[in-house]
Amino acid sequence: KQEVTQIPAALSVPEGENLVLNCSFTDSAIYNLQWFRQDPGKGLTSLLLIQSSQREQTSGRLNASLDKSSGRSTLYIAASQPGDSATYLCAVRPLPGSARQLTFGSGTQLTVLP
Amino acid sequence: NAGVTQTPKFRVLKTGQSMTLLCAQDMNHEYMYWYRQDPGMGLRLIHYSVGEGTTAKGEVPDGYNVSRLKKQNFLLGLESAAPSQTSVYFCASSPLTWTHQTVDTQYFGPGTRLTVL
Repeated sequence: KQEVTQIPAALSVPEGENLVLNCSFTDSAIYNLQWFRQDPGKGLTSLLLIQSSQREQTSGRLNASLDKSSGRSTLYIAASQPGDSATYLCAVRPLPGSARQLTFGSGTQLTVLP
Repeated sequence: NAGVTQTPKFRVLKTGQSMTLLCAQDMNHEYMYWYRQDPGMGLRLIHYSVGEGTTAKGEVPDGYNVSRLKKQNFLLGLESAAPSQTSVYFCASSPLTWTHQTVDTQYFGPGTRLTVL
């Protein structure tokens, strides 16, 4: 059974700091990995998707990396802003043919202090 | 284009009562999903549908039933609510197919907060 872990569960940083969120998964037979953002009381918004054949994806100040063999992904946020405060979740999709769907981590709650 | 909408936003039930949560999407997506999110845990898949008239069990299907009579709607039913079903329920949809995965992302609704007393 795939298990996805995110550490730390919560993180508080001052504005302007660069930070890294971590995601690890137990089964490396994945098709892709996604990072989502969840604001309080809201649904999830997809931030970045990395296919299993890729090493990283970038969008603005966000950079996600994937090391499939070690079962790890990181989300790097540059020059953090108070508007980045949210919960960040990662999710892995298994290979085609599997009956399983996305498996989510429990998230990292990020607070960026002004 | 409203995306994914969920009805209701909040609901309080007593143990043993029944209710139906409605999810609607206007993006003509084939796939639809129901998740629950509990404190300190990630989203867990309850049921999903790969097209109109189809449903399949996810990770935590017990106590729930679903129906996909129309492509744009996915209903989640609780026949006899239990306190363990207190949670935030999210619906999502996706244009994903296994053989055409150039874009693979799920679009989420705002959630329904359900409390069972």
